Amino acid sequence: AQSVTQPDIHITVSEGASLELRCNYSYGATPYLFWYVQSPGQGLQLLLKYFSGDTLVQGIKGFEAEFKRSQSSFNLRKPSVHWSDAAEYFCAVVFTGGGNKLTFGTGTQLKVEL
Amino acid sequence: GAGVSQSPSNKVTEKGKDVELRCDPISGHTALYWYRQSLGQGLEFLIYFQGNSAPDKSGLPSDRFSAERTGGSVSTLTIQRTQQEDSAVYLCASSPRGLSGGYTFGSGTRLTVV
Repeated sequence: AQSVTQPDIHITVSEGASLELRCNYSYGATPYLFWYVQSPGQGLQLLLKYFSGDTLVQGIKGFEAEFKRSQSSFNLRKPSVHWSDAAEYFCAVVFTGGGNKLTFGTGTQLKVEL
Repeated sequence: GAGVSQSPSNKVTEKGKDVELRCDPISGHTALYWYRQSLGQGLEFLIYFQGNSAPDKSGLPSDRFSAERTGGSVSTLTIQRTQQEDSAVYLCASSPRGLSGGYTFGSGTRLTVV
């Protein structure tokens, strides 16, 4: 079955440090790729998306992600983390031939130490 | 509307009762999705409506779950004879046909079955 893997369940970083959250998807034709953020008690907010073209995409709140076809990865990065970035982050994929259905990873909980 | 609206935001029900959850998508969005978010299960796809096409019901966990979308707009997710394992946050999302805008999620309905 097509799947999305976020290998890190929890990550803790210090404020001001750089961040990279990993996401891999099962092999297939290039899918549509998304990162969402969910703060406690809130819905999901879209950070960025990749459909085609430049493999480095910029999103909101200073986040970026890079699509690497050879690694089936779409890792999320931020050069300098702020305390307000503490939240849960979800990678999501629309697989080719799967309709428009989003398949989510299990999420990475980010904690920011002051 | 400006965003995806879900009601109620919280619902507590007794085991065995039926519940209805409502989703009002963004005006003009042709696609509507229901997801369930529960501890230990992550985000699960339930059902997907696209325009006038037959819905994709492949994610519904049992025949106690059903959903309809009237007039291509508002959707209602119905859970009959609720069980404690149905306790979760039910999220609705909508998107334009071409996905270019991504998916916009509502804030969810937190269902607690006691």
